[in-house]
Amino acid sequence: QVQLQQWGAGLLKPSETLSLTCGVYGGSFTGYVWTWIRQTPGKGLEWIGQIEHGRSAYYNPSLKSRVIISLDASKSQFSLDLGSVTASDTAVYYCARGPFWFDPWGQGTLVIVSS
Amino acid sequence: QSALTQPASVSGSPGQSITISCFGTRADIGAYNYVSWYQHHPGKAPQRILYDVYKRPSGVSNRFSGSKSGGTASLTISGLQAEDEAEYFCASYTDGGTYIFGGGTKLTVL
Repeated sequence: QVQLQQWGAGLLKPSETLSLTCGVYGGSFTGYVWTWIRQTPGKGLEWIGQIEHGRSAYYNPSLKSRVIISLDASKSQFSLDLGSVTASDTAVYYCARGPFWFDPWGQGTLVIVSS
Repeated sequence: QSALTQPASVSGSPGQSITISCFGTRADIGAYNYVSWYQHHPGKAPQRILYDVYKRPSGVSNRFSGSKSGGTASLTISGLQAEDEAEYFCASYTDGGTYIFGGGTKLTVL
């Protein structure tokens, strides 16, 4: 049964870059769409973007200018970089497998942006 | 794009049935059958309980059912059990090729 495990820094200062990585264990990496989602107290759940092996990443238009999602198929990992973070980027960030629905999800990473 | 609209909370007694609505538009729920529902217990990863409007993943109880009418999707939980107490949220693919989520509904089992 496939499991996702994510890691990355949980405390950032404004203007820094958020970097998270998600490892895929126990299942195929190819043939699926790998997704990042975040949950904030104010806006709820927000789809950040997705990537599929052999295809370009696709992003939420509201975040597109600051987001890069990449993957390393050799390691069965995919990553999220969100630049120029502000306090409004404080959220629990999740990785998940798609497309069209999300299953499974990673355990979530609380990222706090504070000076 | 605004989030899908769900009630903030619902409650029911053990054995009863409850329905959670998820209001969208012709650009999301009304456009595709890619509506999914998730159960989220605090501190844990969300779990998919329905996909493609009404389909249940293997291992999910048949007490969970889903439907859609126009731009509105619904989740019904029958025979409520204490373990059903959680937050539930809906999600939909959109005509922009993105995804949109509901704000979440906290279910309390009285």
